[in-house]
Amino acid sequence: TQLLEQSPQFLSIQEGENLTVYCNSSSVFSSLQWYRQEPGEGPVLLVTVVTGGEVKKLKRLTFQFGDARKDSSLHITAAQPGDTGLYLCAGGGSNYKLTFGKGTLLTVNP
Amino acid sequence: DSGVTQTPKHLITATGQRVTLRCSPRSGDLSVYWYQQSLDQGLQFLIQYYNGEERAKGNILERFSAQQFPDLHSELNLSSLELGDSALYFCASSAHAPASYEQYFGPGTRLTVT
Repeated sequence: TQLLEQSPQFLSIQEGENLTVYCNSSSVFSSLQWYRQEPGEGPVLLVTVVTGGEVKKLKRLTFQFGDARKDSSLHITAAQPGDTGLYLCAGGGSNYKLTFGKGTLLTVNP
Repeated sequence: DSGVTQTPKHLITATGQRVTLRCSPRSGDLSVYWYQQSLDQGLQFLIQYYNGEERAKGNILERFSAQQFPDLHSELNLSSLELGDSALYFCASSAHAPASYEQYFGPGTRLTVT
């Protein structure tokens, strides 16, 4: 069974601070997705990374896939209150099933 | 707005009852996925359909079943409901055949079993 562990589970910071959240596994994934979910809504796809070592940037968000395709990180620069939400990573297996981590709940205080 | 629609938004029912959740995928998407999200288990994959056929199964209980119709909408049937079935149920769809890692989620159905 492929498992994804996300850390930290909770993160509360002030507006303007930088942060990094992690997604780790002992399994190799074909791809890694990051989603953001707001309360009472469905997850929204932010990015997909597929190549070991790949780095993608989405405005103030930087996503990295580990060289061995077992882990990923999400770095947010100068966080804003609008970044508040549950950040989920999901690993893609060979049969296109996604395995989700339990998420990092980020609160950015104004 | 992802383009995936789910009804109803909220559902409250009693133990032992049966309910049906409905999902319409994004226009053109052939794959539909169902997920259950609870506080302690996180987001759990239940089942996937591609163009009307079951393609993959996850942690779906025998009391639960699903189908995808010719117009590509899907229904998730939950029967003999238990208190522990209370959760958010999400449907997602994807564009690429036969499946894709990039899935687009609907707004979910919040099921409360009393």
